[in-house]
Amino acid sequence: SQKIEQNSEALNIQEGKTATLTCNYTNYSPAYLQWYRQDPGRGPVFLLLIRENEKEKRKERLKVTFDTTLKQSLFHITASQPADSATYLCALGDDKIIFGKGTRLHILP
Amino acid sequence: DSGVTQTPKHLITATGQRVTLRCSPRSGDLSVYWYQQSLDQGLQFLIQYYNGEERAKGNILERFSAQQFPDLHSELNLSSLELGDSALYFCASSVGRSGTSYEQYFGPGTRLTVT
Repeated sequence: SQKIEQNSEALNIQEGKTATLTCNYTNYSPAYLQWYRQDPGRGPVFLLLIRENEKEKRKERLKVTFDTTLKQSLFHITASQPADSATYLCALGDDKIIFGKGTRLHILP
Repeated sequence: DSGVTQTPKHLITATGQRVTLRCSPRSGDLSVYWYQQSLDQGLQFLIQYYNGEERAKGNILERFSAQQFPDLHSELNLSSLELGDSALYFCASSVGRSGTSYEQYFGPGTRLTVT
């Protein structure tokens, strides 16, 4: 069955450094991949969408890569700030979206 | 504010009961998605509607049903509730034309507690 894996352990990063989160998937060949941010008790917030024919996409301090050979996406936050602390979710698919369980990111001041 | 509204914000009910959750999508969005989020399962896709028609179905139990009305608001009906149905239920909306993927805008969620 289709499976998405995100690091279940929290990631602690020093303020100002680059945070890199990983999303791996199996038994799936998605045409689209999305990243969302979720704060406790709130709905996810869309960050970036990347298509299978795009290797990389950027938005301000955010960068996403999509490697369909490795079946992996990397999500980078450069010049990280404490306000970036949240859970980040990877999502695959179009009509039927599958979400990963997310990785909790803590930016330490 | 995403522009997606959900009511009620909190709901506490007993096992065996039936509840209805309501969602109004962002203005102009034709697709509505329902998700269930519990601590151990993460965000689980339940069902998607596009312009009143069911578009995709996920892990939705037979005790659950949904519909999208002509004014595009949607309702999720949960019946014969069990303790395990306690969770956050999110609605999301998107432009949602078929065969492609669009960013989804999530509502604030309804927290359901079954006692």
